[in-house]
Amino acid sequence: KQEVTQIPAALSVPEGENLVLNCSFTDSAIYNLQWFRQDPGKGLTSLLLIQSSQREQTSGRLNASLDKSSGRSTLYIAASQPGDSATYLCAVRPLNAGNMLTFGGGTRLMVKP
Amino acid sequence: DARVTQTPRHKVTEMGQEVTMRCQPILGHNTVFWYRQTMMQGLELLAYFRNRAPLDDSGMPKDRFSAEMPDATLATLKIQPSEPRDSAVYFCASGPPAGTAYQETQYFGPGTRLLVL
Repeated sequence: KQEVTQIPAALSVPEGENLVLNCSFTDSAIYNLQWFRQDPGKGLTSLLLIQSSQREQTSGRLNASLDKSSGRSTLYIAASQPGDSATYLCAVRPLNAGNMLTFGGGTRLMVKP
Repeated sequence: DARVTQTPRHKVTEMGQEVTMRCQPILGHNTVFWYRQTMMQGLELLAYFRNRAPLDDSGMPKDRFSAEMPDATLATLKIQPSEPRDSAVYFCASGPPAGTAYQETQYFGPGTRLLVL
């Protein structure tokens, strides 16, 4: 059974810092991996999707990398801003599992002005 | 601006009562997912539909939970009878058909926050 773990569970940084969120998964037989953002009281919004054949994806100040063989992904946020404060979840789509996703527990990020 | 809508947004009920949560997927999407989110368990998949047919509901307690799609614009999740341990946020998500741009992405609704007393 696929298990997804995110470290750290919570992170507090001053504005302007570059930071890295970590995600690990136990089964490397994945179709893709996604990073989502969740604001308090809201649903999830997809940030980046990395196909299993890709190594990284970038969107603005966000960069996500994937090392499928070691079962790891990182989300890099450059020049963090208070508006980045949210919970970040990674999710893997296993092979042969339709569109089903397995989510990690999330990292709660607070960026202080 | 196409969005997944969920009703009600909040529900407080007493143990033993029936709870019905509704979801309207984005027009044109053919996959629908129901998730439950709690502090202890995180985000768990309860049920998954494609073209209105249930493909996987292994994550759903069968004795009290049921999920249906009466038509392509409505998905429902029912709990009968409800119990305090069902208190959670229930999310619906929808996804576009295979071969469509962003086919692997799921679009989440705002959730229904359920409290069972």
